[in-house]
Amino acid sequence: AQSVAQPEDQVNVAEGNPLTVKCTYSVSGNPYLFWYVQYPNRGLQFLLKYITGDNLVKGSYGFEAEFNKSQTSFHLKKPSALVSDSALYFCAVKFQGAQKLVFGQGTRLTINP
Amino acid sequence: GAVVSQHPSWVICKSGTSVKIECRSLDFQATTMFWYRQFPKQSLMLMATSNEGSKATYEQGVEKDKFLINHASLTLSTLTVTSAHPEDSSFYICSARERPSGGAAVWEQYFGPGTRLTVT
Repeated sequence: AQSVAQPEDQVNVAEGNPLTVKCTYSVSGNPYLFWYVQYPNRGLQFLLKYITGDNLVKGSYGFEAEFNKSQTSFHLKKPSALVSDSALYFCAVKFQGAQKLVFGQGTRLTINP
Repeated sequence: GAVVSQHPSWVICKSGTSVKIECRSLDFQATTMFWYRQFPKQSLMLMATSNEGSKATYEQGVEKDKFLINHASLTLSTLTVTSAHPEDSSFYICSARERPSGGAAVWEQYFGPGTRLTVT
């Protein structure tokens, strides 16, 4: 079955340290991959996407993600975390030919001062 | 950038009443809109896909008679929760898909800020 998974419910990082939020997918064919961030009682904000081309994608607020086809992963990264990065992060995948996005279960990122 | 609004941002209603939530694309035409439901500390669950001028396509397990979706124009979709009960209390989020420009392969999807429904 085609799916997307975020293996960590929660990630804690000290301010200034690099952060990684993991995402893996299971699909036949080429997926379109997305990262969104959600702050409390708010909708989702788009961070970045991978469609094709360079495996390293740069997005908003200094975030980037690397598409790894052999490991079927699309981990979100940032070199130096800020306290304001604390939020809920969702990985999503759109499979070719489908209209809808399928979301991972979300990872709560907490950046400690 | 493309903006999607939702109204109201929060609503409290009594059990047995109906409540309507509006989703608008403010500066683009949205041929497709999506309605999601999110429970506390959980992911988004797609409820239905709404194409302008046609009936919505509901996901398995979602009651179409309870969650009425109307997509009458290219900028407005509404979700009506009929005969609401406390278990319908949730955060409802819509998103709108914009027709891509320049022949882009993937249509962008933009999310509204969400509507928190509390049924007492």
